[in-house]
Amino acid sequence: DSGVTQTPKHLITATGQRVTLRCSPRSGDLSVYWYQQSLDQGLQFLIQYYNGEERAKGNILERFSAQQFPDLHSELNLSSLELGDSALYFCASSGGSGQAGANVLTFGAGSRLTVL
Amino acid sequence: DAKTTQPPSMDCAEGRAANLPCNHSTISGNEYVYWYRQIHSQGPQYIIHGLKNNETNEMASLIITEDRKSSTLILPHATLRDTAVYYCIVRISRNSGNTPLVFGKGTRLSVIA
Repeated sequence: DSGVTQTPKHLITATGQRVTLRCSPRSGDLSVYWYQQSLDQGLQFLIQYYNGEERAKGNILERFSAQQFPDLHSELNLSSLELGDSALYFCASSGGSGQAGANVLTFGAGSRLTVL
Repeated sequence: DAKTTQPPSMDCAEGRAANLPCNHSTISGNEYVYWYRQIHSQGPQYIIHGLKNNETNEMASLIITEDRKSSTLILPHATLRDTAVYYCIVRISRNSGNTPLVFGKGTRLSVIA
């Protein structure tokens, strides 16, 4: 158990639907990151939050949105789902003790989304 | 951030040392070298990081050349469970609120019985 909790672990839905993925960061970590990994593809950075505020945006589609709540958990909302959105979605958190430690990300086990 | 170059794949016999190279010839003085790995369909796992000196922890050793233009991750006694994609990432470390790590294609290490 990495300390980063992602739910649900698996999700099957239909095209056009909307889903919400949830992430609870490791205790004390202020930063939350979302990554997407399609089949046999690399990890694509989607978005980062730090203490409730959006800090960086990657290749996140307009149909996707996220937020980080006051208790630091984060949700990734995926809407108008398409077949190509089927992927593993990973959440990671970091807090860092010291400068180098801030780049030490702890990843969750991922949420596997299947769009039919 | 400096770009890294890794071989796409490597094999290693079980029980032998796995030496995974990474070139980062454009690294600047305040950039750290980080290694992560991803076992199939699992979340990536942090392994080790370093700035100048060689580093060792319970998982691996990191050897950084004196000019810092390349590094080697060493798994001293590879097991089948070390089969994974290994990512070398070079990154300036800022204060809290870092911008994200960008993962390249990494090296697919296959440990063979």
